[in-house]
Amino acid sequence: TQLLEQSPQFLSIQEGENLTVYCNSSSVFSSLQWYRQEPGEGPVLLVTVVTGGEVKKLKRLTFQFGDARKDSSLHITAAQPGDTGLYLCAGVEDTGGFKTIFGAGTRLFVKA
Amino acid sequence: EAQVTQNPRYLITVTGKKLTVTCSQNMNHEYMSWYRQDPGLGLRQIYYSMNVEVTDKGDVPEGYKVSRKEKRNFPLILESPSPNQTSLYFCASGRQVNTEAFFGQGTRLTVV
Repeated sequence: TQLLEQSPQFLSIQEGENLTVYCNSSSVFSSLQWYRQEPGEGPVLLVTVVTGGEVKKLKRLTFQFGDARKDSSLHITAAQPGDTGLYLCAGVEDTGGFKTIFGAGTRLFVKA
Repeated sequence: EAQVTQNPRYLITVTGKKLTVTCSQNMNHEYMSWYRQDPGLGLRQIYYSMNVEVTDKGDVPEGYKVSRKEKRNFPLILESPSPNQTSLYFCASGRQVNTEAFFGQGTRLTVV
């Protein structure tokens, strides 16, 4: 089973600051997804990246898939209190099966 | 409205009493999956299904069964629940495995 290490686990920042969350693995994924989860609810998909080196932007959020498809990052510019939540990365194995592996998550708190 | 519906939302049961958690999606998605979410362990995939009559094990399939007799439904069966299966369960669906996008609201199961 592939592992997906997500860092940092916790992040508390002031409104207006920038931040980056990382997901790393020693194995290759066929695709990687980023989700955001609110307490008591299911994760909500933010983006899917499938091509090595791919960069996607969603307003103030920038997602990047590593060239070798082993890692990904989520960068938030000028964080706002509304960005507070649990951010999860998930990779689909590229080993013949289609298992999905989740990172442990990054809990972000943005202070006003 | 596009949605993934899980039932029940909350369930307290006793050890050994068979139970089924239902999952239904109205988006004609081919891919469906079950996860459990536990503190400190994140989301772990139990089983997934690429299409009708096609199911495969995720990372933690022990103690669970699934079936996919029709495209819209993907029930999770616990033949003999044990306390270590106490968890928050999520069902998810997507057009394809790399486009997994929709999660249900979750089922909080307690086995005593």
